[in-house]
Amino acid sequence: NAGVMQNPRHLVRRRGQEARLRCSPMKGHSHVYWYRQLPEEGLKFMVYLQKENIIDESGMPKERFSAEFPKEGPSILRIQQVVRGDSAAYFCASSPKEGTGPTDEQFFGPGTRLTVL
Amino acid sequence: DAKTTQPTSMDCAEGRAANLPCNHSTISGNEYVYWYRQIHSQGPQYIIHGLKNNETNEMASLIITEDRKSSTLILPHATLRDTAVYYCMGAGNNRKLIWGLGTSLAVNP
Repeated sequence: NAGVMQNPRHLVRRRGQEARLRCSPMKGHSHVYWYRQLPEEGLKFMVYLQKENIIDESGMPKERFSAEFPKEGPSILRIQQVVRGDSAAYFCASSPKEGTGPTDEQFFGPGTRLTVL
Repeated sequence: DAKTTQPTSMDCAEGRAANLPCNHSTISGNEYVYWYRQIHSQGPQYIIHGLKNNETNEMASLIITEDRKSSTLILPHATLRDTAVYYCMGAGNNRKLIWGLGTSLAVNP
């Protein structure tokens, strides 16, 4: 059973371009979480999705950021018109069911390092 | 707002027990407390979770106070490979996930 997959692992964009980050959850997991980690800082929750639904997006910036988790395919975190402050590591995690319960540990991917020039 | 608080950093001698505290007074009484760690810049890794009782697994022990307002993660015999940032996490009454800012644990030889 493959773990959580994220791609690309490294992404370089110029200011104003769009960044698309992909996350494939573990097999059988229907819940996906996105986190951002700025350099030298802790994890910051961004958004929690279930298939085709956004459950909690309280950590997402109001502008330029969006997330989706379609019925088929990976979850996508999209950042439009990137700025230098978006440079960070973006981690995705998946769980088999809604948190938090006895079997709802989150399995994390290796992250995507976004660098905005 | 709901939040968890952890010390920014801690040191521990190799072979000794590392005790990492977390205050989480706003985590709902029905929600579990989770601990994760992040080694270097890798993705976080699950360690342990608990609700009311103390828990132990092959990695660590978790002590949760009776009022559930705080917990302590215990690494009984810390090794150099346990050097990492340790996060506690839970959910508030609205089920929103609450992550601490993490404790950077340095295990020294």
